[in-house]
Amino acid sequence: GAVVSQHPSWVICKSGTSVKIECRSLDFQATTMFWYRQFPKQSLMLMATSNEGSKATYEQGVEKDKFLINHASLTLSTLTVTSAHPEDSSFYICSASEDSNQPQHFGDGTRLSIL
Amino acid sequence: AQSVTQLDSQVPVFEEAPVELRCNYSSSVSVYLFWYVQYPNQGLQLLLKYLSGSTLVESINGFEAEFNKSQTSFHLRKPSVHISDTAEYFCAVTKGGAQKLVFGQGTRLTINP
Repeated sequence: GAVVSQHPSWVICKSGTSVKIECRSLDFQATTMFWYRQFPKQSLMLMATSNEGSKATYEQGVEKDKFLINHASLTLSTLTVTSAHPEDSSFYICSASEDSNQPQHFGDGTRLSIL
Repeated sequence: AQSVTQLDSQVPVFEEAPVELRCNYSSSVSVYLFWYVQYPNQGLQLLLKYLSGSTLVESINGFEAEFNKSQTSFHLRKPSVHISDTAEYFCAVTKGGAQKLVFGQGTRLTINP
């Protein structure tokens, strides 16, 4: 079945550091991938829609310069949290779909902790 | 715009008891409906989906959900739960698989022995 891999699964870094998270579709191509953020005991909030070969579409309230998204190929999207601060600590999850009629498949998430 | 409401934030039940997790949605267009399950510190796994056809959909591990258009509901049920069913369950809606998902607030299912 369709598998989405996310790396790293856990990262701890100092305030001010930039952190890159990778999302890969392992056995299918995805023109669209999605990035979500989840706070403890809360639901997933869509941050942005990543489009292969074009700019990402950000949800209202999400800083484009803070959360850089690159979707350079049909199997890879990256989210870079720039100059991360403690308030950016969260669980970040990506998802992708094989085509418009298939449900999204999720990665296992990345737990980001900023000290 | 679509929205999803999960009325129960927590549902505690005893092992082997039946359970129902409620989900209501609102949308002005036809939608696809999903239930996802999240175990601690993991991503989401698709439990079941309604895209079209039969309004009753089933998963391989005994869960089922029924799409009720008149009541705009997609409640999740299982006749007999197991300890391993302890997890967070999310109901979600989208206009299409490649469209962005809108999630409910989630329901934490806790199974007591």
